[in-house]
Amino acid sequence: AAGVIQSPRHLIKEKRETATLKCYPIPRHDTVYWYQQGPGQDPQFLISFYEKMQSDKGSIPDRFSAQQFSDYHSELNMSSLELGDSALYFCASRSRGDSGELFFGEGSRLTVL
Amino acid sequence: SQQGEEDPQALSIQEGENATMNCSYKTSINNLQWYRQNSGRGLVHLILIRSNEREKHSGRLRVTLDTSKKSSSLLITASRAADTASYFCATDASGTYKYIFGTGTRLKVLA
Repeated sequence: AAGVIQSPRHLIKEKRETATLKCYPIPRHDTVYWYQQGPGQDPQFLISFYEKMQSDKGSIPDRFSAQQFSDYHSELNMSSLELGDSALYFCASRSRGDSGELFFGEGSRLTVL
Repeated sequence: SQQGEEDPQALSIQEGENATMNCSYKTSINNLQWYRQNSGRGLVHLILIRSNEREKHSGRLRVTLDTSKKSSSLLITASRAADTASYFCATDASGTYKYIFGTGTRLKVLA
């Protein structure tokens, strides 16, 4: 069965650079979530989209922005990168009419040097 | 944590023993879910319990929910070395669709 696809899996950037992460949800899923997980930390909710519109916002820095496109894939754009942005970034998708289970991708590991 | 705490934060047991992890949360919820994460990997859904349910079973997993205490527990029976992972609870506050994760319990099952 198709799963949530994230790319790239690994990314190394310098401070003050920009990074873009992509997420391709499971087909027919209408909701996408983004989470940030630092080393040894719990996943922190950043932002979510339902039917291509932002639905909820969490602790997403102003330097970050995200959107969901017409094909339902989503991108997380991060600018002016800081050392503290080094983390695993997870995307999850679900169908709002279903039980509520989130399906996670394998994550994108961002390292800021 | 954005929503709640889990305890213990780390648990080490022998294979065959039972493991119990607890989760507390702060707001009214629609449902509570438990997820498992192997080191550096994505989170995998284990079980969902709705706010009007008190107990749910799935294989070797048993989840309880006490909405009056805003807490839940996950019991893994007859643990195996392959159960070694971090376990997180996640809740969606009533009126929202965002899921907030607790701090997680790192479980180590010794063979």
